[in-house]
Amino acid sequence: DQQVKQNSPSLSVQEGRISILNCDYTNSMFDYFLWYKKYPAEGPTFLISISSIKDKNEDGRFTVFLNKSAKHLSLHIVPSQPGDSAVYFCAASERGNKLVFGAGTILRVKS
Amino acid sequence: GAGVSQSPSNKVTEKGKDVELRCDPISGHTALYWYRQSLGQGLEFLIYFQGNSAPDKSGLPSDRFSAERTGGSVSTLTIQRTQQEDSAVYLCASSFSGLQETQYFGPGTRLLVL
Repeated sequence: DQQVKQNSPSLSVQEGRISILNCDYTNSMFDYFLWYKKYPAEGPTFLISISSIKDKNEDGRFTVFLNKSAKHLSLHIVPSQPGDSAVYFCAASERGNKLVFGAGTILRVKS
Repeated sequence: GAGVSQSPSNKVTEKGKDVELRCDPISGHTALYWYRQSLGQGLEFLIYFQGNSAPDKSGLPSDRFSAERTGGSVSTLTIQRTQQEDSAVYLCASSFSGLQETQYFGPGTRLLVL
């Protein structure tokens, strides 16, 4: 029972263009969402988060959008850079509960 | 400052053997988590330690898996009688306090059971 789904296993984008990574969830009780980024042979690192009371959170080139009615969130990276090439994990939790992770999306930014 | 460290970075073992994986959390972090990432899968929660509270073991897949955290710092994940399906990357994370804090991950231990 996958509560957090990242349906695109991989994404390829040209440098300078926008990268859009998508994530769907099934548990309507989730109220906190995060994106983690992972390079090979390293652990995931926290990127950006959003609480369910918001529908958008922005941090530099990274913006996360939350659509609660659709149980969908997305991560936008603008402009994409080759150093953004990594695996991106979406995660969700109910306040006070453990994180549930998606399977990840491999992003490749071509120069 | 030092991040979360894990050892060994790679471990190859034979089916049926026991293995121990170690995690050194960030100094001062009271919460520690173990996850597993199998090929093509997301991070699967295994166990969570918070201070002196009883650990949340709800993610451990079988009784062959156990973990302890000594002195509120270093943690060891033990897998007894390993099976091939235990092959995965085992990730440890720590956070300053509880589940609401950002988790900082170690580089993981890649376990291969032959």
